[in-house]
Amino acid sequence: GAGVSQTPSNKVTEKGKYVELRCDPISGHTALYWYRQSLGQGPEFLIYFQGTGAADDSGLPNDRFFAVRPEGSVSTLKIQRTERGDSAVYLCASSLGGQANTGELFFGEGSRLTVL
Amino acid sequence: LAKTTQPISMDSYEGQEVNITCSHNNIATNDYITWYQQFPSQGPRFIIQGYKTKVTNEVASLFIPADRKSSTLSLPRVSLSDTAVYYCLVGMMDSSYKLIFGSGTRLLVRP
Repeated sequence: GAGVSQTPSNKVTEKGKYVELRCDPISGHTALYWYRQSLGQGPEFLIYFQGTGAADDSGLPNDRFFAVRPEGSVSTLKIQRTERGDSAVYLCASSLGGQANTGELFFGEGSRLTVL
Repeated sequence: LAKTTQPISMDSYEGQEVNITCSHNNIATNDYITWYQQFPSQGPRFIIQGYKTKVTNEVASLFIPADRKSSTLSLPRVSLSDTAVYYCLVGMMDSSYKLIFGSGTRLLVRP
């Protein structure tokens, strides 16, 4: 597809379980972002990749959260020992990045995580 | 990163022009101003971006005064489908660029 693809669209899990959320960015976009959005709030920045490396992970709330982008394309957000407070919509976005950056981020439709 | 302040909500009627103003008093010299729109169950979508004066595209206009401490998003002749949350953001366009979202303005367009 032409847009940012996120899977799964919905994930229900139990407290304490491990979860992986996948993001497939727009082809050719070197920059990739993860955000988290709770009901009624704006998206909260988690981490930003430029290529394969995490250029800024200052938004990750704690060490239970980790994200990778091993080949500079698809990214996976990993959450260990999930807690009820992790329930939110996890949004992925991509952009041209680097010197070609126009400041326009293209968002996917998000993965809704519910921790019971 | 510059903090932004915008109204929590606004109401309008179909066919009216809507102006949403955002304050960003500590905007930096290299910062650009960007507006995004978000519908329920969707990710935010880029609307418009500017640095100074006025920018217009097929969707909206963005007015930025000389001191750049505020900006106004103008939506001409809104329709019901313009009901959404609108976010104002400021940030630099460089290799470390990231966007910090506030709570946005919830626009409700009534028939």
